[in-house]
Amino acid sequence: DIQMTQSPSSLSASVGDRVTITCRASQRISILLNWYQQKPGKAPKLLIYAASSLQSGVPSRFSGSGYGTDFTLTISSLQPEDSATYYCQQSDSSPTFGQGTRLEIK
Amino acid sequence: QVQLVQSGAELKRPGSSVKVSCKASGGTFRGYTISWVRQAPGQGLEWMGRIIPIDGTRNYAQKFQGRMTITADKSTGTAYMELGSLRSEDTAIFYCARAPASKDGFDIWGQGTMVTVSS
Repeated sequence: DIQMTQSPSSLSASVGDRVTITCRASQRISILLNWYQQKPGKAPKLLIYAASSLQSGVPSRFSGSGYGTDFTLTISSLQPEDSATYYCQQSDSSPTFGQGTRLEIK
Repeated sequence: QVQLVQSGAELKRPGSSVKVSCKASGGTFRGYTISWVRQAPGQGLEWMGRIIPIDGTRNYAQKFQGRMTITADKSTGTAYMELGSLRSEDTAIFYCARAPASKDGFDIWGQGTMVTVSS
């Protein structure tokens, strides 16, 4: 199985900050990397697919980049409603998720 | 807009099995894949397996092979996940999730079904 490693596991930032979460795959996966946001008691929500494509309806402050093994999710200007846990997921083979990054608003 | 509507919460005894349903409301499965994802309390997301309802092709994570069966009824637009030999560690929320193709992200999720395994 392809292992996905996210960092950091948690972070705290202020409204308006630029936030970056990284995800590393244990082997090359081209652009087959997706990002999700999950709020407590809710199902995950797809934010970014194919490494850098913004899912319909997702605010443009979210962006993704990367290729091969290293990927990033960036929130350009953090908003209060962005408090959530974020997961990366590879779709190159049997899907696997990163362990999650809990984002808290200061 | 298609929604995935899952069956309700379940309480099961260790050693028994559970069957959770996932109905596509407002549409059909077409050529999409339906995956099942597990989330234990306070833990992350774990992919369990998937089916392509249009042709019945199925893949399972090695961890669940032999203990899990995914099926789909095209006529009703409903997918099912059955997990057997339940143990307390299986207590979790189970989600179904749609992907347009096997290498796409999961763009639509069910609301989740809480399964509690307890004696």
